[in-house]
Amino acid sequence: GDSVTQMEGPVTLSEEAFLTINCTYTATGYPSLFWYVQYPGEGLQLLLKATKADDKGSNKGFEATYRKETTSFHLEKGSVQVSDSAVYFCALKGQGAQKLVFGQGTRLTINP
Amino acid sequence: GAVVSQHPSWVICKSGTSVKIECRSLDFQATTMFWYRQFPKQSLMLMATSNEGSKATYEQGVEKDKFLINHASLTLSTLTVTSAHPEDSSFYICSALPPGQGNNEQFFGPGTRLTVL
Repeated sequence: GDSVTQMEGPVTLSEEAFLTINCTYTATGYPSLFWYVQYPGEGLQLLLKATKADDKGSNKGFEATYRKETTSFHLEKGSVQVSDSAVYFCALKGQGAQKLVFGQGTRLTINP
Repeated sequence: GAVVSQHPSWVICKSGTSVKIECRSLDFQATTMFWYRQFPKQSLMLMATSNEGSKATYEQGVEKDKFLINHASLTLSTLTVTSAHPEDSSFYICSALPPGQGNNEQFFGPGTRLTVL
């Protein structure tokens, strides 16, 4: 079945550092890919998404490119802030499906 | 934007009792809602898909008689944990999918933390 694998956390960075959180997936066909963020004590929020190969999703300085050749959707940000501290989930939705399949989540802590 | 609420935000109950959790879409109608369970420091595991006016579809390994789901209106789905036990303690999250073909985005509630003593 479909699955998502994220780099294990926790990840701790200093403010203004470059961030990469790796995400790879296994799916048949052409899934849609998502990154969700969960701030402490809150529900999940959609951060960005891409629905077809080579699409780049971007939001709040975060970017991720749908790479079908490497089945990856790595999350990047050039300069992180303390307010980016949260848990980040990579997810996919199979072609024609409604339900999401989540990766295990990566806890990110940014120190001032 | 689309807002989904959950009630209660947290609940503590005694073993053997039943607990109902509500999930509401506040500014849109949702024919489909999803219920997830999240263990500490782990990912979200889909428990069931709830469709308005029909029976829920449960994921493999989820006991449908223990986790009762009712989606009686286009804005409300409820999850009832029956005869709760300490191992049912978890964070329960719902999401709602607005109608429309090709709509990709689910909107998530803030979650309900259940503690069973």
